[in-house]
Amino acid sequence: DAKTTQPNSMESNEEEPVHLPCNHSTISGTDYIHWYRQLPSQGPEYVIHGLTSNVNNRMASLAIAEDRKSSTLILHRATLRDAAVYYCILRAFGGYGGSQGNLIFGKGTKLSVKP
Amino acid sequence: DSGVTQTPKHLITATGQRVTLRCSPRSGDLSVYWYQQSLDQGLQFLIQYYNGEERAKGNILERFSAQQFPDLHSELNLSSLELGDSALYFCASSVGQGGGDTQYFGPGTRLTVL
Repeated sequence: DAKTTQPNSMESNEEEPVHLPCNHSTISGTDYIHWYRQLPSQGPEYVIHGLTSNVNNRMASLAIAEDRKSSTLILHRATLRDAAVYYCILRAFGGYGGSQGNLIFGKGTKLSVKP
Repeated sequence: DSGVTQTPKHLITATGQRVTLRCSPRSGDLSVYWYQQSLDQGLQFLIQYYNGEERAKGNILERFSAQQFPDLHSELNLSSLELGDSALYFCASSVGQGGGDTQYFGPGTRLTVL
């Protein structure tokens, strides 16, 4: 399975932009890049996903490198509510091998937001 | 609110017992996934059903089983419980099972085995 590498932790100040990096050097051409986050004591929450082009939604932006070997999740103005563990996950177009679309979570990046 | 419901929220039981966790997916979602989150193992995929059929198995113990019913709700059965089974159990649902599908997670069931 293609793996991702993320920093263990990052800190941000409230109302400032946050750039969360993810390396995925073994990504294949059909792998989608997904980001989920998990707030304390809650289930994971979908944030955004993309394949090749940069993506924007109401929660965040996803910037994908031209060679697709890395991506960056951008929170434009961090709030205290954005403090969470952020997971960068690759998902193959048709699911991996015997895994039909399940998510493979790594350790993610723990984002702390200071007021 | 993701639209995925899980019951019960908390469950406290003793070793050797059997419990059933229930999940109702979002309306229209055919895929249901079960995940376990413990402090030392992180989030681990257990099993997936799609429209009533088992589609994939992850790190699910033989003491655990699941099924998806015709109304698409799913149940995860855990038997001969051990202390190490104490964890958060999450259910997620999605419309399909492709790489671009979004999974929506429920609030989880916290299982404590004493």
